[in-house]
Amino acid sequence: GAVVSQHPSWVICKSGTSVKIECRSLDFQATTMFWYRQFPKQSLMLMATSNEGSKATYEQGVEKDKFLINHASLTLSTLTVTSAHPEDSSFYICISPPGRGDYYGYTFGSGTRLTVV
Amino acid sequence: GENVEQHPSTLSVQEGDSAVIKCTYSDSASNYFPWYKQELGKGPQLIIDIRSNVGEKKDQRIAVTLNKTAKHFSLHITETQPEDSAVYFCAARESGANNLFFGTGTRLTVIP
Repeated sequence: GAVVSQHPSWVICKSGTSVKIECRSLDFQATTMFWYRQFPKQSLMLMATSNEGSKATYEQGVEKDKFLINHASLTLSTLTVTSAHPEDSSFYICISPPGRGDYYGYTFGSGTRLTVV
Repeated sequence: GENVEQHPSTLSVQEGDSAVIKCTYSDSASNYFPWYKQELGKGPQLIIDIRSNVGEKKDQRIAVTLNKTAKHFSLHITETQPEDSAVYFCAARESGANNLFFGTGTRLTVIP
């Protein structure tokens, strides 16, 4: 079945530095990728949607200059947390929506736990 | 946009008993309702889903029911086992969109 490989699985960074999270679709082409984050004991909240070949769309309240999303190719979408602060510590996960022929198959990355110290 | 509410937030049951988690949604045109299990430190895993044209679906010890009129759907786990302990999320896909809206999660603890 479809697989999205997400890396790193966990990362610890110093406040003020940037962190890049990658999601690669291994055996299919992902024209769209959803990026969610999950704070401790909370639900997954949509941050933004990346689309190959066009600018990402951000949900209300998400700073586009802080969370840079790039969909460089049909198999790679990246999220860069710039100038990270402790409040950015969270679980970030990418989700590829269903493609042609499968209206219901969402493919989840394995998630990245970011800790900013 | 879609709003999904989930109850209870925590649930403890004795091993062998049944567990029921309920979700409501706001968009009557939502058409897909998956349930996910998330274990500590891992991403959510799909355990069962239901489409809007179906009222009930069962897979061994797990079942999901959908009431479109009332806009709610429920997860039923029978003969619970300690390995069922995890956080469970419901989700709904809003009509006309492709992203999922998640409930707030239920922490299920199965007591041996």
